[in-house]
Amino acid sequence: DTEVTQTPKHLVMGMTNKKSLKCEQHMGHRAMYWYKQKAKKPPELMFVYSYEKLSINESVPSRFSPECPNSSLLNLHLHALQPEDSALYLCASSQAQKQGNYGYTFGSGTRLTV
Amino acid sequence: DAKTTQPPSMDCAEGRAANLPCNHSTISGNEYVYWYRQIHSQGPQYIIHGLKNNETNEMASLIITEDRKSSTLILPHATLRDTAVYYCIVRVAETSGSRLTFGEGTQLTVNP
Repeated sequence: DTEVTQTPKHLVMGMTNKKSLKCEQHMGHRAMYWYKQKAKKPPELMFVYSYEKLSINESVPSRFSPECPNSSLLNLHLHALQPEDSALYLCASSQAQKQGNYGYTFGSGTRLTV
Repeated sequence: DAKTTQPPSMDCAEGRAANLPCNHSTISGNEYVYWYRQIHSQGPQYIIHGLKNNETNEMASLIITEDRKSSTLILPHATLRDTAVYYCIVRVAETSGSRLTFGEGTQLTVNP
C-alpha cells in the first residue's frame, strides 16, 4: 500500500458544528502532516507529527485540533470554524529518517466548506 | 530553508520536452532540491530530488548546476496529463518530521 487515504473527500459544516477529518497510511511512515490550501495558492503547513508526537504547530488557531492515535492514523478535529477556513486540507506522510531526504506522500485532500 | 524562484507559467507542446527552471542562489551545502507537482484538485506528488548530482527516474530528470545555484526539471516527452503546478523546494535535512514549505510554483500547460 503506497497511498495516503483521506476521508471524507468533501465536507460542509456550519460555524457551530464539530467535525473531524481523517487520514490513514500503511507505509510505515513515522511522520505525518496536515496542510491547508486555499484556491490558487500553494499548500501551507499546519502541523507535523513525528513518532505520534506533535513536533511542529505553525501557530494554527485552537479551533483546529490535531490528534495522532497511532502510527497509521492522523485526525484533525474542527470546531467553531470561520468561513475563511474553507479550503482543501491535505494530509501527508514521510519517512522520519535522520537524513530527511525522502519524498512526502500526499493524500487527495478533503474539500471543506464552512 | 533557501528561497527559490520559478517562472509563474510555462507552455509546452505535447510530445516535446518540458524544461522547468528553478533558481536557488542561496542554497546551502546540506540542502536538497526537491520537485513536486500538483494536478488540479489533487494532492501534490513527489517527482524527484537531488543534492549535487543529476538524477533521473521514470518520471523526470533533474539537472543541478555545478555551483548548485539553479536546477532544471526535465519531462522528456510531455503529455496532456503533465499539465500541473510544479513546485521546486529546497530544504535542509532535519531530524524526524521535516518542514516542507511550498513556494508559488510554475503552472505548466501542455498543449495538443
